[in-house]
Amino acid sequence: GAVVSQHPSWVICKSGTSVKIECRSLDFQATTMFWYRQFPKQSLMLMATSNEGSKATYEQGVEKDKFLINHASLTLSTLTVTSAHPEDSSFYICSAAQGNTEAFFGQGTRLTVV
Amino acid sequence: LAKTTQPISMDSYEGQEVNITCSHNNIATNDYITWYQQFPSQGPRFIIQGYKTKVTNEVASLFIPADRKSSTLSLPRVSLSDTAVYYCLVAIYGGSQGNLIFGKGTKLSVKP
Repeated sequence: GAVVSQHPSWVICKSGTSVKIECRSLDFQATTMFWYRQFPKQSLMLMATSNEGSKATYEQGVEKDKFLINHASLTLSTLTVTSAHPEDSSFYICSAAQGNTEAFFGQGTRLTVV
Repeated sequence: LAKTTQPISMDSYEGQEVNITCSHNNIATNDYITWYQQFPSQGPRFIIQGYKTKVTNEVASLFIPADRKSSTLSLPRVSLSDTAVYYCLVAIYGGSQGNLIFGKGTKLSVKP
């Protein structure tokens, strides 16, 4: 299947700083990528839809000024958690689809804010 | 609100066949049924997708009755490494439009 890669796999940052997470589709072009957040023992929750060359679409309750999404190319989308706080600590996962088929997920990024 | 209902957990032993059934009573005509596997601290991994009848790949089989209101994921001869959470999702085009709504999934525990 298609490969979606995230970087970094895990990151620890101080409260108040910003963290950038990259999501790359390695062997296909993805006009749309999706960002999810997963808290411990819970299911994945869609945060936003990232569209190449345009603004992201955020789900209700997700602060667009806090979670900055940039989709600069057909193979790269980035999520920046700005002014991170301990409650932002979570597992962040991206996904992308090749055409109208199933979505493929990255390996996830564990963010810990101390 | 998840559109699917599946058992919260299941236990099995190595070598057994495991069948996980998912209910999706409100499935729409354009919806596909997709199953994902997730290990702790990893992203979901695609297992299988289908629209109707039966689909089989090297990992699993997916059985979908004619009314499509449910589906069953069948894992043949499970091993310890199959211990994971399994999600059943229904979505237009299999989720490529970003409309994947994850339910709680089924936590499968395989014992020796």
